Amino acid sequence: AQSVSQHNHHVILSEAASLELGCNYSYGGTVNLFWYVQYPGQHLQLLLKYFSGDPLVKGIKGFEAEFIKSKFSFNLRKPSVQWSDTAEYFCAVNAGDNFNKFYFGSGTKLNVKP
Amino acid sequence: EAGVTQFPSHSVIEKGQTVTLRCDPISGHDNLYWYRRVMGKEIKFLLHFVKESKQDESGMPNNRFLAERTGGTYSTLKVQPAELEDSGVYFCASSPWTGRDYNEQFFGPGTRLTVL
Repeated sequence: AQSVSQHNHHVILSEAASLELGCNYSYGGTVNLFWYVQYPGQHLQLLLKYFSGDPLVKGIKGFEAEFIKSKFSFNLRKPSVQWSDTAEYFCAVNAGDNFNKFYFGSGTKLNVKP
Repeated sequence: EAGVTQFPSHSVIEKGQTVTLRCDPISGHDNLYWYRRVMGKEIKFLLHFVKESKQDESGMPNNRFLAERTGGTYSTLKVQPAELEDSGVYFCASSPWTGRDYNEQFFGPGTRLTVL
């Protein structure tokens, strides 16, 4: 079965620091990759997605992620975080056998100190 | 346009009781999904409806869980009888049918279920 691993459960950064959240998945076939974000008190929202093409994808609010197929990774990055980026971030995958079924990681809580 | 809504936002029940969670998808979305997050762990897929039909219920934990989507609009997820390990946040999501492989899923705020 597919699985998604997020290495950091809780990250604390100061404003303007750079962010990188790790995500690895296990599936040998075609995958679509996503990062979702849940701000305090809000719904899960799509941050960015990768289907094919350029492995460096840009999302909303200055976030980007890089798909490295050889490493089964899809790490999320932001060069300079803001206090408003405080949220929980989820990596997710859906796979070629069922594109309607998401596999999520366990989430990373990001706390940005002003 | 209204987003996915879920009711109730919180539910606290005792072991052995019955609870019914409701999800109203975005109007016109044929696909409806249920997910669950047990505290601190990953969000896990439970099942997927296309209109009123169950397309995939491979994630349903056991037969104490019953999901319905009569008329292809809102959906309910009933847990009967509830056990302690059923505690968690239950998310609903919906997506339109576009004919492509992937349809973006829009999530509701979740229902936090606590079983005492």
